[in-house]
Amino acid sequence: ETGVTQSPTHLIKTRGQQVTLRCSSQSGHNTVSWYQQALGQGPQFIFQYYREEENGRGNFPPRFSGLQFPNYSSELNVNALELDDSALYLCASSLRAGGNTEAFFGQGTRLTVV
Amino acid sequence: SQQGEEDPQALSIQEGENATMNCSYKTSINNLQWYRQNSGRGLVHLILIRSNEREKHSGRLRVTLDTSKKSSSLLITASRAADTASYFCATDALYNQGGKLIFGQGTELSVKP
Repeated sequence: ETGVTQSPTHLIKTRGQQVTLRCSSQSGHNTVSWYQQALGQGPQFIFQYYREEENGRGNFPPRFSGLQFPNYSSELNVNALELDDSALYLCASSLRAGGNTEAFFGQGTRLTVV
Repeated sequence: SQQGEEDPQALSIQEGENATMNCSYKTSINNLQWYRQNSGRGLVHLILIRSNEREKHSGRLRVTLDTSKKSSSLLITASRAADTASYFCATDALYNQGGKLIFGQGTELSVKP
């Protein structure tokens, strides 16, 4: 158990819909990163939030957006869902942004877009 | 884009044998991390090795890093059936903005009892 919790664990949405995924970071961690993992692939970095500000973004379109709250929990929002958005979405928290710190992952949200 | 390339993609061994997985990457790094993933669930952090370190041990795990060759290896000694999982290397690139980890495609390890 890493102390990072994600909800929901599974989700089925229809193409064109919007989805919100949630993540509670490990106690004391102020940095949250989101990753997308397609089947059979390694995780790909979506973005990172540090103290409620976006602190870096991967190669994902603007319809992927996020928030971090004062308690350092975070949301990932995806608008206009496409079939290719079907994946495992992983949230990772760390003690601080960068600086040789370990990232602790939650169990993920399995999103299926039909 | 994937920075890391793991080799082999799949590995099947008997319990008690050693398992070695390799990772190559492209850019200069701050550190390299190894993770384990069971059946498409969350990633479990195994070990972090900094760019100025050459070898690190944690229990039955031994990680080496060769920055001149931009490669790393993970050795699991005396493997157990419970070690069956996918293993990923991830790099924290030098001049990284945003703490982005770049993962490889993973090695699928199967340990047979």
